Amino acid sequence: NAGVTQTPKFRVLKTGQSMTLLCAQDMNHEYMYWYRQDPGMGLRLIHYSVGEGTTAKGEVPDGYNVSRLKKQNFLLGLESAAPSQTSVYFCASSTGHPNTEAFFGQGTRLTVV
Amino acid sequence: AQSVTQLDSHVSVSEGTPVLLRCNYSSSYSPSLFWYVQHPNKGLQLLLKYTSAATLVKGINGFEAEFKKSETSFHLTKPSAHMSDAAEYFCVVSDGYQGGGNKLTFGTGTQLKVEL
Repeated sequence: NAGVTQTPKFRVLKTGQSMTLLCAQDMNHEYMYWYRQDPGMGLRLIHYSVGEGTTAKGEVPDGYNVSRLKKQNFLLGLESAAPSQTSVYFCASSTGHPNTEAFFGQGTRLTVV
Repeated sequence: AQSVTQLDSHVSVSEGTPVLLRCNYSSSYSPSLFWYVQHPNKGLQLLLKYTSAATLVKGINGFEAEFKKSETSFHLTKPSAHMSDAAEYFCVVSDGYQGGGNKLTFGTGTQLKVEL
């Protein structure tokens, strides 16, 4: 029972490089989310999806793009990485039903130099 | 709009003494409230959740929280701290379907230190 799996777990990028973070869930959840975690700021929502083929902006979407081509996968892309995007990224999924919790992946630690 | 304020960024207790982590929330709707725990270099684990069924909510590992609407608070407590409780704790609010997305809004976290 894998739950939410993020790939990769660690990555170092040079400024201007691009990369894609993959999130996969095996719980048949409709809703998926990407958060970033920075010291003293908690987790902030980047983008989210309420179903296959849909995406929406969260609190801090600038510099990121997402796609949800398959229900079980939610991809987060950085087209031109900047040092300000150094962070720990968490993917989460939920049923979307009211009052239900989200399940989180183990995180991806990204450093942009 | 919804928001969460965790009143202490760091809390230090001795092993065997009570734990109190404070959280106040703001929500335009009847909220759902959660506490998550994050151990070093790990993901987030749900401790407990409030969904209007009962104001006193019991969670895993002996933690509990009480929802107080009049005070807009959802403080986390544990009668006796254990060394393994040392972690970062997040108070989280969700307004369900309102506005779409069932989005979670996180507090800034409280780092709990447990000393011998």
